[in-house]
Amino acid sequence: AQSVTQLDSQVPVFEEAPVELRCNYSSSVSVYLFWYVQYPNQGLQLLLKYLSGSTLVESINGFEAEFNKSQTSFHLRKPSVHISDTAEYFCAVTVYSSASKIIFGSGTRLSIRP
Amino acid sequence: DTGVSQDPRHKITKRGQNVTFRCDPISEHNRLYWYRQTLGQGPEFLTYFQNEAQLEKSRLLSDRFSAERPKGSFSTLEIQRTEQGDSAMYLCASSLAGSEQYFGPGTRLTVT
Repeated sequence: AQSVTQLDSQVPVFEEAPVELRCNYSSSVSVYLFWYVQYPNQGLQLLLKYLSGSTLVESINGFEAEFNKSQTSFHLRKPSVHISDTAEYFCAVTVYSSASKIIFGSGTRLSIRP
Repeated sequence: DTGVSQDPRHKITKRGQNVTFRCDPISEHNRLYWYRQTLGQGPEFLTYFQNEAQLEKSRLLSDRFSAERPKGSFSTLEIQRTEQGDSAMYLCASSLAGSEQYFGPGTRLTVT
């Protein structure tokens, strides 16, 4: 079975500061890795994904995540956050062979202070 | 392409009543998924369909829950004899097999 652990339930940061949201996963088989974002009163949106290839993946709005197989981690980072990044962030995995159900972490609430 | 839509967006019901939710996927997507999200938690997988066939059901899906996708297009999720513990956001997603899942806005169920 697969599981995802998000180590921080809430992360408060000041605007323009860097941020890291931590994610560790457990799986006995190969998985795809994702970060989803849920803005207030909106649905889930895919932020970025790791399928294969380069272990560093980037989103269009400046976030990046690095797949670390030895540490089974997929931490999300942004060098300078903006008020508009305020949201709930979910790390998730799906089994590579079936690419069916997604297993989500419990989420990290990112709050940006001006 | 208008994305995944769900109806209703909000539902308030009394304990013991039956409720039904509808999900309309992106038109060319052959897979449809249902998830449940409770406050402060990430979404939890309930079940998924490939075309009309229900391929997997979570143990979270008790006998009071039933999902259908009769023509391989829209899907319904019915909860019979609702309980307060059923209060949650019910999310639907669709995809092509093996590809990215696109989520709908969800149906928020409140059982009083």
